[in-house]
Amino acid sequence: EVQLLESGGGLVQPGGSLRLSCAASGFTFSSSAMAWVRQAPGKGLEWVSGISGSGGNTYYADSVKGRFTISRDNSKNTLYLQMNILGAEDTALYYCAKVVSTAMVYYFDYWGQGTLVTVSS
Amino acid sequence: SFVLTQPPSVSVAPGKTATITCGGNNIGSKSVHWYQQKPGQAPVLVIYYDSDRPSGIPERFSGSNSGNTATLTISRVEAGDEADYYCQVWDSSSDHVVFGGGTKLTVL
Repeated sequence: EVQLLESGGGLVQPGGSLRLSCAASGFTFSSSAMAWVRQAPGKGLEWVSGISGSGGNTYYADSVKGRFTISRDNSKNTLYLQMNILGAEDTALYYCAKVVSTAMVYYFDYWGQGTLVTVSS
Repeated sequence: SFVLTQPPSVSVAPGKTATITCGGNNIGSKSVHWYQQKPGQAPVLVIYYDSDRPSGIPERFSGSNSGNTATLTISRVEAGDEADYYCQVWDSSSDHVVFGGGTKLTVL
């Protein structure tokens, strides 16, 4: 059974930093691309970032590029999201998602339950 | 950047058919995926590759994609289908994932 367990969310002041983690199990982690998707309170889904199975390719939404860094440790079956220079607009529930990807197709077949990030003074 | 447009809300009576659209420029040339999200829960994949269903998703859920519109169809709607539905594509020109704004399905 695929399981994705996010952690690391919390309350942070504007301009601060936070690192999210996602512990994965139930599949061959190193063979699967992964991603972070967020959802602001009462709003829709917003893709944040993605990373290939090897970690060699990374992708970012324009809204977070230069501030967020996605990474993975395949020896620990764990996905990370380092978030810097946080603003109120980053307040959201952050989901970790397992990706199915080919050259022209990219979708999310499993999702975690999310970790809440609140940016406020 | 590629934009996906969904109606904010759709209402349907139990037992009837719900149709949720997802519009985008020549979306028929892309693979469209659909997610169901019930209140307080994580999204669940219900349709991938335009019309394929993951295991465990009822046959009542189907999808199609042509021209400028992709469609999620839910037949014989049940109260438990009430949820937000999101379409999603991969925009290869920007290497970005794109979600539609979501459609709230209300079962009357």
